[in-house]
Amino acid sequence: AQSVTQPDIHITVSEGASLELRCNYSYGATPYLFWYVQSPGQGLQLLLKYFSGDTLVQGIKGFEAEFKRSQSSFNLRKPSVHWSDAAEYFCAVGDYGGSQGNLIFGKGTKLSVKP
Amino acid sequence: ETGVTQTPRHLVMGMTNKKSLKCEQHLGHNAMYWYKQSAKKPLELMFVYNFKEQTENNSVPSRFSPECPNSSHLFLHLHTLQPEDSALYLCASSRQDGRLAGGSTDTQYFGPGTRLTVL
Repeated sequence: AQSVTQPDIHITVSEGASLELRCNYSYGATPYLFWYVQSPGQGLQLLLKYFSGDTLVQGIKGFEAEFKRSQSSFNLRKPSVHWSDAAEYFCAVGDYGGSQGNLIFGKGTKLSVKP
Repeated sequence: ETGVTQTPRHLVMGMTNKKSLKCEQHLGHNAMYWYKQSAKKPLELMFVYNFKEQTENNSVPSRFSPECPNSSHLFLHLHTLQPEDSALYLCASSRQDGRLAGGSTDTQYFGPGTRLTVL
């Protein structure tokens, strides 16, 4: 069955440091991949998405992600983290041909930012 | 984000109560979704509606009853819930149900959620 794994439950980085959040997926076909962010008490906001083409995808708020088919990964990166980036981040794969629904989400990675 | 709104934002109810959650989207979309977000678990898709027709019921207990009177509004009627139903309930919308569009690249836009506590 299709699945998404976010190996890190909680990550803490210092403000200004670089960030990489990991995401691995299991999907038989070419995946549609998404990263969402959820601030406390808020819904999910789309950061970026990959459907095809260039494997390095730029998103909002200075985030980018790279699709690596050989590693079944879609890691999210930011070169310099801001305190306002503290939130929970969810990776998802679009299961448009399967029976599990449109989006399969990972369990999320909570990001804390130290001043 | 005001594209998808949800009311109420917080709800506390007893197991014998009947209540409803409301979702409204102002994006001109045709597909709407209910998700359940519990602590330490991935988001769970509950229901999908496409052009007011239900296209997905992800084995949700009958104590949850969705209603989609038009493409802009989605309700989740709740009755005789259990404490384990306490969670954040998120609504989302997209141009159409991605599966029915043959794998379209429609993005889902989420509302802020309703935090439900069942006593």
